[in-house]
Amino acid sequence: AQSVTQPDIHITVSEGASLELRCNYSYGATPYLFWYVQSPGQGLQLLLKYFSGDTLVQGIKGFEAEFKRSQSSFNLRKPSVHWSDAAEYFCAVGSGGSYIPTFGRGTSLIVHP
Amino acid sequence: DTAVSQTPKYLVTQMGNDKSIKCEQNLGHDTMYWYKQDSKKFLKIMFSYNNKELIINETVPNRFSPKSPDKAHLNLHINSLELGDSAVYFCASSQEGRADNEQFFGPGTRLTVL
Repeated sequence: AQSVTQPDIHITVSEGASLELRCNYSYGATPYLFWYVQSPGQGLQLLLKYFSGDTLVQGIKGFEAEFKRSQSSFNLRKPSVHWSDAAEYFCAVGSGGSYIPTFGRGTSLIVHP
Repeated sequence: DTAVSQTPKYLVTQMGNDKSIKCEQNLGHDTMYWYKQDSKKFLKIMFSYNNKELIINETVPNRFSPKSPDKAHLNLHINSLELGDSAVYFCASSQEGRADNEQFFGPGTRLTVL
């Protein structure tokens, strides 16, 4: 069975600073990897996903993520954070044998002006 | 147009009451889900239906009963509400019931049990 870990519960950055949110997964084969964002009072929205191919994937809102098989990681990055990026970010991992992905417990991003 | 909608957005009720949350998707998806998000933002799958048939039923009290009248709707009925049922409930849908499918989430229903 797959599992996913987001080691940071909260991350605080200043507006304009770069951002990296960590995600580590456990699965034997190449997993399906996702990042979702949940803005306050909203449902989750897909930012980006990785299944195969180029290990650096681009998503919406200027986000990107890099799949590193050797580190079992799929970290989310953004070069310059905007105040509107303050939200909860969820990493999720799926496998061919499951119906749905497993979600991490989320990382709360706080953006200081 | 709202892709996945839920009603109501807020639900405040007394312990012991019975309540329902409705969910509709207009994406033509085959699979729908109910998730519970606790106060620490942890997201837990409760149920999944594929073409009106139950495919996932996690360890959830039998006070919770999903009903899917057609593949565009998945309602959640909760009997004898308890304090611990207070949470945000999200409905979601995907094209198929597969782990590589993007899930589309509704805006959530915040349930408060007093």
